[in-house]
Amino acid sequence: NAGVMQNPRHLVRRRGQEARLRCSPMKGHSHVYWYRQLPEEGLKFMVYLQKENIIDESGMPKERFSAEFPKEGPSILRIQQVVRGDSAAYFCASSPPRGVETQYFGPGTRLLVL
Amino acid sequence: DQQVKQNSPSLSVQEGRISILNCDYTNSMFDYFLWYKKYPAEGPTFLISISSIKDKNEDGRFTVFLNKSAKHLSLHIVPSQPGDSAVYFCAARPTSGTYKYIFGTGTRLKVLA
Repeated sequence: NAGVMQNPRHLVRRRGQEARLRCSPMKGHSHVYWYRQLPEEGLKFMVYLQKENIIDESGMPKERFSAEFPKEGPSILRIQQVVRGDSAAYFCASSPPRGVETQYFGPGTRLLVL
Repeated sequence: DQQVKQNSPSLSVQEGRISILNCDYTNSMFDYFLWYKKYPAEGPTFLISISSIKDKNEDGRFTVFLNKSAKHLSLHIVPSQPGDSAVYFCAARPTSGTYKYIFGTGTRLKVLA
């Protein structure tokens, strides 16, 4: 019973590099959500996607951040030209197609920008 | 503007006693509330939820109470166990049609053996 998978679990980048975070939802789930947690803070919503569609990206920074959820393969959160302030834990959650009541979270990717 | 607030950053409780974690919200336009538990270096784990049309939901040792007039949510854990030691987040879902959750900042619960 595989849960939400995220990789890598830890990612170190230097300023200016690109970071790619991957998320495979639970089996049967077609809704994916990305959240970011800064140190000592709660999780902040970034983007909500369904297969091949971005439904709500109101929490995404306007520049450098993008997300996709292709027909085949995992959802990807991409951060271009990373800065130190991007250092955080990035969590992906998924929910089934019918219900949106409960989102199930992956283990997260901890991004450190040097 | 923090719409979901957990004003107690930490709580210590003796094993076997009741743990009560609190959450306040400022927006009346939430229709669904959830509690998640989070261990270090792991993702949040869903615990229990409640719809805004109810005032109580119980699941084993966990009970969530919702007081809509006070815009207040609480999670009761009884009896508390050392394995319950974790950070607990409350979350709320707006009725606006988007499915994003608004999270509180968390309460770190420590259950003392």
